[in-house]
Amino acid sequence: QSVLTQPPSVSGAPGQRVTISCTGSSSNIGAGYDVHWYQQLPGTAPKLLIYGNSNRPSGVPDRFSGSKSGTSASLAITGLQAEDEADYYCQSYDSSLSGSNVFGTGTKVTVL
Amino acid sequence: QVQLVQSGAEVKKPGASVKVSCKASGYTFTSYDINWVRQATGQGLEWMGWMNPNSGNTGYAQKFQGRVTMTRNTSISTAYMELSSLRSEDTAVYYCARGSASYGPNLVVYWGQGTLVTVSS
Repeated sequence: QSVLTQPPSVSGAPGQRVTISCTGSSSNIGAGYDVHWYQQLPGTAPKLLIYGNSNRPSGVPDRFSGSKSGTSASLAITGLQAEDEADYYCQSYDSSLSGSNVFGTGTKVTVL
Repeated sequence: QVQLVQSGAEVKKPGASVKVSCKASGYTFTSYDINWVRQATGQGLEWMGWMNPNSGNTGYAQKFQGRVTMTRNTSISTAYMELSSLRSEDTAVYYCARGSASYGPNLVVYWGQGTLVTVSS
């Protein structure tokens, strides 16, 4: 059971903007720990998409952006493209679990 | 370039143990933490624990404490994850994943290709 909750699925037409929420608590996101996001294309290993709440690694398109507020974080994809169809996971650190990394429940993005 | 190459698929019987290896290249192995993450078919990512390859220090998720052991061989830049007392629910793809300089094990930057472990009688 994950302590970070995401919507199971979101969808949008090409070119549209979609957002994915990641809701935590006072022992993880709300405690000030940073949130990172990963993209997992079908049949492949996850790939780092956003780190430190809002930073993009080199090579990640600026269509992807992240933010954090209170006990939640969000990933936004603007100008949705077919190749963005994938699973997305948030991740943070939780101080209540003997010091553990925790992943979100995951969100499937479908491009209509 | 950074590469993490994992050992091949395994089939184990319930109650047995499995040991998955992760060979690192393209960077100094002892400079970055290694995490292990697993994913059951059609399910989400589950963090299992981390290891500091320099010191050998480890930290395990509560769920796996007592059943998982993470070790390394620095001479061949390889990390290992051993899971014991296997049950059917342990059937999953197991990933090794390298941490970062700024966040230590708390940010995964590079991932291995994954190792499928199937537990079946």
